[in-house]
Amino acid sequence: QKEVEQDPGPLSVPEGAIVSLNCTYSNSAFQYFMWYRQYSRKGPELLMYTYSSGNKEDGRFTAQVDKSSKYISLFIRDSQPSDSATYLCAMCGTGGFKTIFGAGTRLFVKA
Amino acid sequence: NAGVTQTPKFRILKIGQSMTLQCTQDMNHNYMYWYRQDPGMGLKLIYYSVGAGITDKGEVPNGYNVSRSTTEDFPLRLELAAPSQTSVYFCASRAGGEQYFGPGTRLTVT
Repeated sequence: QKEVEQDPGPLSVPEGAIVSLNCTYSNSAFQYFMWYRQYSRKGPELLMYTYSSGNKEDGRFTAQVDKSSKYISLFIRDSQPSDSATYLCAMCGTGGFKTIFGAGTRLFVKA
Repeated sequence: NAGVTQTPKFRILKIGQSMTLQCTQDMNHNYMYWYRQDPGMGLKLIYYSVGAGITDKGEVPNGYNVSRSTTEDFPLRLELAAPSQTSVYFCASRAGGEQYFGPGTRLTVT
């Protein structure tokens, strides 16, 4: 079993839809949870990170962490064609050296 | 804000040649990483460092070497390049929950 599981998609939605991206994990020591956006032929861009459980909001993006279920989510409101990209979740422990990445979910937002 | 910078952006190597991929960060992060990403695939950790003078292997270290003489720099050395090393290489640095990536080096070995 992988430490982090993420559905690779692709996920196709119409413009304006609410997008929900998710990851599950198995290591209860993870404390930092990150979401990245990666456009084709570009490096991953850090969108948001959270520490421990709870929600964090930044504009149209909301990150949620449910440590009891070992489940994290990224919600994108009012999705735009420019949101079309691969989204990667990532996580690490407080004292952990390695960051564990999900495989990434490809998102297409149709105009 | 420079963040993480990588050079070169592109490189074509012949089989058996060697090269060094450069990575520099200006955020004073202790943790630095090298990943490779093959087309349509996820990130694979090659090497990482937790501070100057300390490095360790990741998932796919064979054919690569690293050094970390300063906090800022973390070069990746390819010896005897092989076609299997054709990939995009990303350097990253991290502090806490903030890990930032460089723009990548696209390497082709023919």
